[in-house]
Amino acid sequence: LAKTTQPISMDSYEGQEVNITCSHNNIATNDYITWYQQFPSQGPRFIIQGYKTKVTNEVASLFIPADRKSSTLSLPRVSLSDTAVYYCLVGQSGGYQKVTFGTGTKLQVIP
Amino acid sequence: DVKVTQSSRYLVKRTGEKVFLECVQDMDHENMFWYRQDPGLGLRLIYFSYDVKMKEKGDIPEGYSVSREKKERFSLILESASTNQTSMYLCASRQGPPTTEAFFGQGTRLTVV
Repeated sequence: LAKTTQPISMDSYEGQEVNITCSHNNIATNDYITWYQQFPSQGPRFIIQGYKTKVTNEVASLFIPADRKSSTLSLPRVSLSDTAVYYCLVGQSGGYQKVTFGTGTKLQVIP
Repeated sequence: DVKVTQSSRYLVKRTGEKVFLECVQDMDHENMFWYRQDPGLGLRLIYFSYDVKMKEKGDIPEGYSVSREKKERFSLILESASTNQTSMYLCASRQGPPTTEAFFGQGTRLTVV
């Protein structure tokens, strides 16, 4: 299983763009990169997934360079409600492989 | 709307008690998971199940067992609760491989005294 490394915590002011980078140096050819968001006292929820280049949805963008050894979650113009823990996961598209979440990045948005 | 329901939000149990944490999903998902979450340690996988009566150990199975008699229900069992099992427990379900979205319950905060 590809191991992921993320910063433990980040602070940002409201209205700023936040970029959270995840390293996954031993990512396999058929691994996808998925990000989850967890608010306090709730379970994590899926926010975005990608394989290469760039993916964008209504919540975030995900940038993946050609070597796929890292990925960056980008949150545009954060608000206080974006304060959460963000988890980067790497997993295959086949089988019932278990998924390891790790420690995540705790984002604190400051007014 | 998809739903994963954990039977209790808060539980207080005594050391040595047998504890059952129940999880039910209404999405007919094949895969179900139990995680525990502790400050500074993130989410750690205890057990998962990919079919009825099938189970696989996760990263920290010691002190726990699981049961999946029906597809929609996945139970986590603490045979003899200990204070180091005080934690937030999260159940999740997922239909397919890791590239499919996992849905989580609200969590059960278990305190063992």
